[in-house]
Amino acid sequence: GAVVSQHPSRVICKSGTSVKIECRSLDFQATTMFWYRQFPKQSLMLMATSNEGSKATYEQGVEKDKFLINHASLTLSTLTVTSAHPEDSSFYICSAPEDPAGEQYFGPGTRLTVT
Amino acid sequence: GQQLNQSPQSMFIQEGEDVSMNCTSSSIFNTWLWYKQDPGEGPVLLIALYKAGELTSNGRLTAQFGITRKDSFLNISASIPSDVGIYFCAGQLTGNTPLVFGKGTRLSVIA
Repeated sequence: GAVVSQHPSRVICKSGTSVKIECRSLDFQATTMFWYRQFPKQSLMLMATSNEGSKATYEQGVEKDKFLINHASLTLSTLTVTSAHPEDSSFYICSAPEDPAGEQYFGPGTRLTVT
Repeated sequence: GQQLNQSPQSMFIQEGEDVSMNCTSSSIFNTWLWYKQDPGEGPVLLIALYKAGELTSNGRLTAQFGITRKDSFLNISASIPSDVGIYFCAGQLTGNTPLVFGKGTRLSVIA
């Protein structure tokens, strides 16, 4: 089946710094990708929808200036957590539906720890 | 954000027993999906349901798409230790829309 990769798988950063997380569809194109966040022992909650060639759309309560999303190509979306704080520590997971509206594939997730 | 109502929250069962969990929504979905997530990993698709009333099996797993399009259940028969994990239901409106997840069912299997 199709594969979605995420990099890095784990990252530890200091409070106030920025972290970039990459999401790649390895063998298919994805005009749209989704970014979810999962806190410990909780479910996945949608943060934003990443659209190739246009601005991302954010869910209510998610700060667009803090979580910068860039979908520069049909196989890559990046999420940058700016000025990270300990409360941003979470598991960030991306998913990509295979164009035009196929099955949605999930990445393996990125564990972010902000100290 | 929206979440689906999934129950039970957790289950402890003996190996060999059958398991059932379900998910309900206040709104209609056109696709229902069931995922399993192991610690530190992304969710893995178990079963996808695309038609109201559909009953689909995948090995020891059976899932149904409720006729009202507002609910789904997942059954696991003859559980084994590797069934341990967190199971999530998810609803989707159309192919290019994000998934709405349930709160998860944490399954523990006692050998």
